[in-house]
Amino acid sequence: DQQVKQNSPSLSVQEGRISILNCDYTNSMFDYFLWYKKYPAEGPTFLISISSIKDKNEDGRFTVFLNKSAKHLSLHIVPSQPGDSAVYFCAAPDIIQGAQKLVFGQGTRLTINP
Amino acid sequence: DVKVTQSSRYLVKRTGEKVFLECVQDMDHENMFWYRQDPGLGLRLIYFSYDVKMKEKGDIPEGYSVSREKKERFSLILESASTNQTSMYLCASSPLGSYNEQFFGPGTRLTVL
Repeated sequence: DQQVKQNSPSLSVQEGRISILNCDYTNSMFDYFLWYKKYPAEGPTFLISISSIKDKNEDGRFTVFLNKSAKHLSLHIVPSQPGDSAVYFCAAPDIIQGAQKLVFGQGTRLTINP
Repeated sequence: DVKVTQSSRYLVKRTGEKVFLECVQDMDHENMFWYRQDPGLGLRLIYFSYDVKMKEKGDIPEGYSVSREKKERFSLILESASTNQTSMYLCASSPLGSYNEQFFGPGTRLTVL
């Protein structure tokens, strides 16, 4: 059962435009969400997070929005740059044995076209 | 600068071989994790450890085992490699406590022939 879902495997956006990556979750106990970015042949790197007490968190060109009632979050990148081309994963922590295990979505491959 | 290193970037093994993947972190983190990444499936947790000599199964532990004899080192073992274990393997670590980001190594691309 996929608790975190990214239903778009890929997204192509023109440079300078807005990129919107979506993520849905089913577990209403999740109260914190993270976005990771992954380049080929590298490990994922943390990008931005949001707590469920907020509905928006902004960091430079990156903004994450959380809609708790819809169990949906989205990552907005404005303006999109060629270096943003990567696979983006959303994730939520699940606490097991006192340790935080991250549940990841399937990922969305973002391609920024010049 | 925080660092998670993995012993190999690329590895080719034959079916039935015993395979060791090593991961070392220099951040004194309590938690360490092994994931595999496959197209369309995202990152799936194989095993994790929240302390030395402690281990917990993740979502897909079958065919794998782990060892954590020292805090900084977490090893993933494929007892008898099979072709369906061809994948990208990612190690990560995080400090104790909730809502902490995990730091990932560069990954090991394992091919089992």
